[in-house]
Amino acid sequence: GEDVEQSLFLSVREGDSSVINCTYTDSSSTYLYWYKQEPGAGLQLLTYIFSNMDMKQDQRLTVLLNKKDKHLSLRIADTQTGDSAIYFCADFTGGGNKLTFGTGTQLKVEL
Amino acid sequence: NAGVTQTPKFQVLKTGQSMTLQCAQDMNHNSMYWYRQDPGMGLRLIYYSASEGTTDKGEVPNGYNVSRLNKREFSLRLESAAPSQTSVYFCASSPGQGAYGYTFGSGTRLTVV
Repeated sequence: GEDVEQSLFLSVREGDSSVINCTYTDSSSTYLYWYKQEPGAGLQLLTYIFSNMDMKQDQRLTVLLNKKDKHLSLRIADTQTGDSAIYFCADFTGGGNKLTFGTGTQLKVEL
Repeated sequence: NAGVTQTPKFQVLKTGQSMTLQCAQDMNHNSMYWYRQDPGMGLRLIYYSASEGTTDKGEVPNGYNVSRLNKREFSLRLESAAPSQTSVYFCASSPGQGAYGYTFGSGTRLTVV
């Protein structure tokens, strides 16, 4: 079945850029997503990219997609303490309208 | 704007007890989902309902049942709770088209002792 992998932890200093990486296995993926989960809360959709795009920018967020390598990344510019959260990559292939989630990357922003 | 509402927020059960987790959405979404979240394992799909009147198993359905009561409501039932079902449970909904992603509820933290 589909597999989505992420590293578990990332620590950055306030003001630096953060890059969270994700790899997936299904070449028929149509949409890929990034979700943010703050402590004690549900997941919030941050952004998504369609599989025929290479890049999408939305304010401080930049999503890069390398379809050949099945690699997705989320760059957060000027990272703030409020960005500390778990970030999930998710993959939609259309079958059954289901998303497959990665394990999540815990981002810690230090002063 | 309520979005997806889950009840209860917290629950402690004894092994063998049963309970139903409730989920309702007010966005007229077609599809609804139940996930569990465990440390280091991300979100795993338990059951989903692609449209009203249909339900299907996900990745980890054993020990659970679901009911799509109507378009708004999708409940998850634990018939005989086990400690392995201690987890945070999330309900989500979507229009059914990929570009819109999912809207999540705030979760139910369940402990089985």
